Amino acid sequence: DQQVKQNSPSLSVQEGRISILNCDYTNSMFDYFLWYKKYPAEGPTFLISISSIKDKNEDGRFTVFLNKSAKHLSLHIVPSQPGDSAVYFCGSQGNLIFGKGTKLSVKP
Amino acid sequence: SQTIHQWPATLVQPVGSPLSLECTVEGTSNPNLYWYRQAAGRGLQLLFYSVGIGQISSEVPQNLSASRPQDRQFILSSKKLLLSDSGFYLCAWGGGAKAFFGQGTRLTVV
Repeated sequence: DQQVKQNSPSLSVQEGRISILNCDYTNSMFDYFLWYKKYPAEGPTFLISISSIKDKNEDGRFTVFLNKSAKHLSLHIVPSQPGDSAVYFCGSQGNLIFGKGTKLSVKP
Repeated sequence: SQTIHQWPATLVQPVGSPLSLECTVEGTSNPNLYWYRQAAGRGLQLLFYSVGIGQISSEVPQNLSASRPQDRQFILSSKKLLLSDSGFYLCAWGGGAKAFFGQGTRLTVV
């Protein structure tokens, strides 16, 4: 049973537009949710997190929204840049379960 | 500051040979440690996690095993590799609201 799900394997957006990456979870006991960015043949790097007691966290171009009633979170990147092209993983802190990732392609 | 080391970066091993991947953490004590595998075109699959020395939890049945002989050392092993063991292996440690990953090991079983 997947505790964290990313149902979109890929997403393509135009440079300068908004990228929205989605994530659903099943376990309401998670304290934090984490977003990671991963380039091929490298380890994932931490991007942004959100506490379960908040509904929004913003860091520069990156904003994560949490909807606890829907057990859904989303990462917004605006404006999107070609350097944002990578695989993005959503995960839960604690047991570090991740979704399968969404490959974002930002086209110039 | 906390750092995590994982080696080797790449490894080519024949089918049936043993495997040992090592991961060490610096700058923290009693970390939660994790091994993941990312197979081609797939996400991060949690293989093992450890909350302390000698404490290993396995998430999926497989041909691999893990050990934690010291507080900041986590080892992924296999007695006999299979072709299906090929993939990108990542070690991580989790603390607070973040987790930190090693740079990964690309394992190719031939």
